[in-house]
Amino acid sequence: LAKTTQPISMDSYEGQEVNITCSHNNIATNDYITWYQQFPSQGPRFIIQGYKTKVTNEVASLFIPADRKSSTLSLPRVSLSDTAVYYCLVGLTGGGNKLTFGTGTQLKVEL
Amino acid sequence: DVKVTQSSRYLVKRTGEKVFLECVQDMDHENMFWYRQDPGLGLRLIYFSYDVKMKEKGDIPEGYSVSREKKERFSLILESASTNQTSMYLCASSPLGTSGRAGGNTGELFFGEGSRLTVL
Repeated sequence: LAKTTQPISMDSYEGQEVNITCSHNNIATNDYITWYQQFPSQGPRFIIQGYKTKVTNEVASLFIPADRKSSTLSLPRVSLSDTAVYYCLVGLTGGGNKLTFGTGTQLKVEL
Repeated sequence: DVKVTQSSRYLVKRTGEKVFLECVQDMDHENMFWYRQDPGLGLRLIYFSYDVKMKEKGDIPEGYSVSREKKERFSLILESASTNQTSMYLCASSPLGTSGRAGGNTGELFFGEGSRLTVL
């Protein structure tokens, strides 16, 4: 199973771009990388998923280098409401898997 | 809209009691999961199920069992609750992946609101 390592916490200010990196050195060939956001007293919510290179949606961008041993979630122009815990999840989506989360990154956005 | 419903948001039980945590999803998803979440430890997988009556152990199955008699319902059972099982429990579901293989999924999990269990 691919283990993930993320920074425990990050601080930012409103309007800044935030980049959160996740290391997954033993990622398998068929593993996808998925990021989730969790607010207090709520379940995690899917943000973005990718396999390689770059993926962008209305919320974030996900950058994955060629070796896929890490990935970076990029949040453009964060606001106070982006204060949350962000989880990187690496797992096999093709079949027979245990989707294991890491410990997450607590992002705090201030004025 | 996608919906995963957990039966209780807050429970208080005594050591040794049998505890049932129920989870229902209305999306016809094949896969369902139970996680527990503790400060500093993130989410840890207890059990998952990829079909009715099928179950697989996660990373921390000890002290827990599960039941999936119907596709939409996945129950977590604590046979004899202990204080170290005080935690937030999160249920999730996901659809079958594009491979169509049992256990496959899209990687997009839909979570319930969580059940905070306190064992005294």
